Amino acid sequence: QKEVEQDPGPLSVPEGAIVSLNCTYSNSAFQYFMWYRQYSRKGPELLMYTYSSGNKEDGRFTAQVDKSSKYISLFIRDSQPSDSATYLCAMSEVVAGTYKYIFGTGTRLKVLA
Amino acid sequence: DGGITQSPKYLFRKEGQNVTLSCEQNLNHDAMYWYRQDPGQGLRLIYYSQIVNDFQKGDIAEGYSVSREKKESFPLTVTSAQKNPTAFYLCASSDYLNQPQHFGDGTRLSIL
Repeated sequence: QKEVEQDPGPLSVPEGAIVSLNCTYSNSAFQYFMWYRQYSRKGPELLMYTYSSGNKEDGRFTAQVDKSSKYISLFIRDSQPSDSATYLCAMSEVVAGTYKYIFGTGTRLKVLA
Repeated sequence: DGGITQSPKYLFRKEGQNVTLSCEQNLNHDAMYWYRQDPGQGLRLIYYSQIVNDFQKGDIAEGYSVSREKKESFPLTVTSAQKNPTAFYLCASSDYLNQPQHFGDGTRLSIL
């Protein structure tokens, strides 16, 4: 079992829809939870991050962490064609000097005009 | 503007040749990282450095080498020992280890 699981998609939605992107994980020691957006032939761009559990909102984006279920989500409201990209979740921990920063394989999102 | 600069954008390697990928950051971050991204796979960690003159192997360090002589620079050498070097290479940095990372725009390496 992979430490982080992410549905690869592609996920196609009409413009203006609410998008829900999700990752599950198995390691309860993860401390930071990140969401990245990656356009083709570009590096990942850090969208949002959360330390421990809870929700965080930034404009049209909301990140949620449910540590009891080992599940994180990114919601995009009023989706735009410019949101079409691959979205990567990532999680990190440092325990007893051992460092881990694990990425999901990414979900491809297409927002149709 | 602060950021991470990777160069070149595209690189071609001949068989038996070593090549070096450049990564420079002006974010004043202590930690820097190198990843490899292959289609259908997540990012895989090659090497990371917490501080100048210190670096650690990641999950797939074989066939690669790094140096960290300056805080802002973390070059990656892909040696001839790396038998499958064709990939998209990404450099990242963070304030310190375990903090969220920021990425450059990558170098695409291909074999001639």
